[in-house]
Amino acid sequence: SAVISQKPSRDICQRGTSLTIQCQVDSQVTMMFWYRQQPGQSLTLIATANQGSEATYESGFVIDKFPISRPNLTFSTLTVSNMSPEDSSIYLCSVERQSTDTQYFGPGTRLTVL
Amino acid sequence: QKEVEQNSGPLSVPEGAIASLNCTYSDRGSQSFFWYRQYSGKSPELIMSIYSNGDQEDGRFTAQLNKASQYVSLLIRDSQPSDSATYLCAVNGGTSGTYKYIFGTGTRLKVLA
Repeated sequence: SAVISQKPSRDICQRGTSLTIQCQVDSQVTMMFWYRQQPGQSLTLIATANQGSEATYESGFVIDKFPISRPNLTFSTLTVSNMSPEDSSIYLCSVERQSTDTQYFGPGTRLTVL
Repeated sequence: QKEVEQNSGPLSVPEGAIASLNCTYSDRGSQSFFWYRQYSGKSPELIMSIYSNGDQEDGRFTAQLNKASQYVSLLIRDSQPSDSATYLCAVNGGTSGTYKYIFGTGTRLKVLA
């Protein structure tokens, strides 16, 4: 497995503002992902964070709303831009090491937008 | 048709009983299958992965895979109140790509003391 940290663990934000969530892993990993889990729902993949290139977004998610950076093999950020109450959710990063297909999740960031 | 289906529950079992959780998937080309446990307010924690037809055991947990019938199940023996959580089935591979997980909506398990 891997030790994954996320910051912040929770935040309450005003409509129209942006929040950047950080994900840090204790060792180099091949793949990093960002998920959203809305209240009472399962996990939905937002995008795959690619090291050194633009993230790969899933259907329904766009870069302008969820810009992602991955400057190296242990760190990634997800920004939730121009937030609305519908963005209230738990945001999770996950990682997958090379030659495995098993994902491990960070502790999550609980976001509330007022 | 949902890609990964689970009964949302709650599934209630008495302490010490066997809890049986089921999951069906639609992509016949899926290669890897995972069970995660998620306590309320926490992130998903990997319990088991299974790749081949048959049973795979790890302590009190047994994962079962039947690719012909496109279902995967998780058995929890000697259920404990601490097993009360939501159990998420995830499927990887197939036409969605080798790295992309598709999650079910989860089954909420309640183990009654």
